[in-house]
Amino acid sequence: QQQVKQSPQSLIVQKGGISIINCAYENTAFDYFPWYQQFPGKGPALLIAIRPDVSEKKEGRFTISFNKSAKQFSLHIMDSQPGDSATYFCAAAISGYALNFGKGTSLLVTP
Amino acid sequence: KAGVTQTPRYLIKTRGQQVTLSCSPISGHRSVSWYQQTPGQGLQFLFEYFSETQRNKGNFPGRFSGRQFSNSRSEMNVSTLELGDSALYLCASRVRGETYNEQFFGPGTRLTVL
Repeated sequence: QQQVKQSPQSLIVQKGGISIINCAYENTAFDYFPWYQQFPGKGPALLIAIRPDVSEKKEGRFTISFNKSAKQFSLHIMDSQPGDSATYFCAAAISGYALNFGKGTSLLVTP
Repeated sequence: KAGVTQTPRYLIKTRGQQVTLSCSPISGHRSVSWYQQTPGQGLQFLFEYFSETQRNKGNFPGRFSGRQFSNSRSEMNVSTLELGDSALYLCASRVRGETYNEQFFGPGTRLTVL
């Protein structure tokens, strides 16, 4: 079964707005939570990742918020740009094992 | 540094045939993982190889197999193809097998089964 649930399935945001994508997991053994960005015709590329010992990690316009007790984590894209239009995947993994991906969110940033 | 390369990029097969996909990891990377991407199921892990040994395996039937060569290049094979095997097959490499090392994905091989 899907070990990582991702929402929303699609998202439309105006340029300059904040894009928020949420993920939830059940397995408390997960200890690595990356986000990937995928453009059409390309493979996914790592955007940002977090380990459960911190509640937030920021890299440029991208921030991961992590809530261990709720078993949820989210990606915030500040000042969203049309070039951010892509599919975003959250994932979770136990050290040494494979990535379990969410089903993806298709983000469209309108000019 | 060249990225992960996958060949062929596109492939059309018929049911019952078999197919072999190839992946060349980034130079110096010893771990190669394979994923299947479909609109319905998303990205699903197939298997991972590290130093020519299969380390992890996903929940796929035995028709899906793989191997890794001494130069870290990897192949995956799907026998007795079914319509449901139509998907984008992605290969990812990383320096070592530890989860926290970034995985770099290739562009994928688009397999269509008719």
